[in-house]
Parts: sequence; C-alpha cells; structure tokens
Amino acid sequence: AQTVTQSQPEMSVQEAETVTLSCTYDTSENNYYLFWYKQPPSRQMILVIRQEAYKQQNATENRFSVNFQKAAKSFSLKISDSQLGDTAMYFCASRSYNTDKLIFGTGTRLQVFP
Amino acid sequence: SQTIHQWPATLVQPVGSPLSLECTVEGTSNPNLYWYRQAAGRGLQLLFYSVGIGQISSEVPQNLSASRPQDRQFILSSKKLLLSDSGFYLCAWRGGPRELFFGEGSRLTVL
Repeated sequence: AQTVTQSQPEMSVQEAETVTLSCTYDTSENNYYLFWYKQPPSRQMILVIRQEAYKQQNATENRFSVNFQKAAKSFSLKISDSQLGDTAMYFCASRSYNTDKLIFGTGTRLQVFP
Repeated sequence: SQTIHQWPATLVQPVGSPLSLECTVEGTSNPNLYWYRQAAGRGLQLLFYSVGIGQISSEVPQNLSASRPQDRQFILSSKKLLLSDSGFYLCAWRGGPRELFFGEGSRLTVL
C-alpha cells in the first residue's frame, strides 16, 4: 500500500527567506506521480507542483521547487523568497499510474512572518 | 474551463440526522470523482471514488455512502450522523492522468 509521511506538523519562516518542507513516501510501484498541494485559510486546495517519478529532473514552478530523491523515497518542497501569501497547509501526495487513488500526507502548516 | 462546486458550504446537524452533500463538475465529461474528509489536525482521508455513473468504490467502512446518479454529480450521504462524522469534506475530480482539482469544501459539524 502507498503511504505518505510528513514529519513536520508546523513550520515558520520569515518573509523573503527560504523554507523546505519534508515528505517521504512508500510505494512498491515503479511509475507514479508526486504532488504538493496548498490549502490556504480560504480552504480551497490548489496544486503547487507535481513530479513524475520517471523524470530525474526536479520540477520547478517559479519560487517552488522540489528535491526528488527516488531511491530514498523523498520528495521535499522548497519555497524561495517566501511571501505572506504562502501561509497555508501544505500536503504532499502520491498516486501510482495504475490506480485512481491519490494518497495524502497529514500536512505541514506553514506560517510566513513579516 | 472546468469548474467544481460543492454545497452546502457549512452544515450543522444533530446526531442521528441524515446528511446529503452534493458535488457537481462542469466543463468536462466522464471525470473521476472523489470524496475526501479532512478532520481537525489530520490529513485528507479518501472516503469514496467513482470512475463512472453508478460505480462507487469505498475506501473506509463507515456510516457514510456515496452515489453518482449523473456523470458529473457526486453525492455523499448518511442516514444517521455520528459525532465522529464532523469534519471538512472535499470533493475532487480528475479528468486526466495527473492531479486532482478540488471543490471549495463543506464543513460539517455534528452536535
């Protein structure tokens, strides 16, 4: 079975600084997707970034980038130049190619301070 | 463009009362549909998913049920709510191979 673990319940960072959120996962599949979702206080969950496991290159979306270590089953999210609007819950998730189920971690609450 | 709507946004119900949460997707056909629950301080738990009309897969045994009467409609129900059913319920759809798109969520408080 797939599992996703986020070991940091809460993190904080000062505006303009960089923060890294950790995520590890466990799967027996070779082909899968990994995601980071953001849930701001307004509550609607939105996709931040995704990574396909067969791609060795780390995904990047503007200030957001991942460090994907397939052998270690690690998928951390780095937020550069943090902004107040980055304050949110961040969820790591995975889905194997041959399933319809997206499995989430328990989330990390990120607070960005001015 | 595709949109997803959930209602009601907020619901307060007494223990033992019925429940119906509705989710509708627009702008796509034959989406995969999902119901997740987010309890306070916890992550998202997959409750049900559906790959087509009348096709429901249940992930967690509980007193909730789901139905998909139309292609783009997904309903979460209960005949008798429990206190433990309180939480934030999220509907989502997947129209392609990758990520899910979520609705605004429905907050249920059972008293």
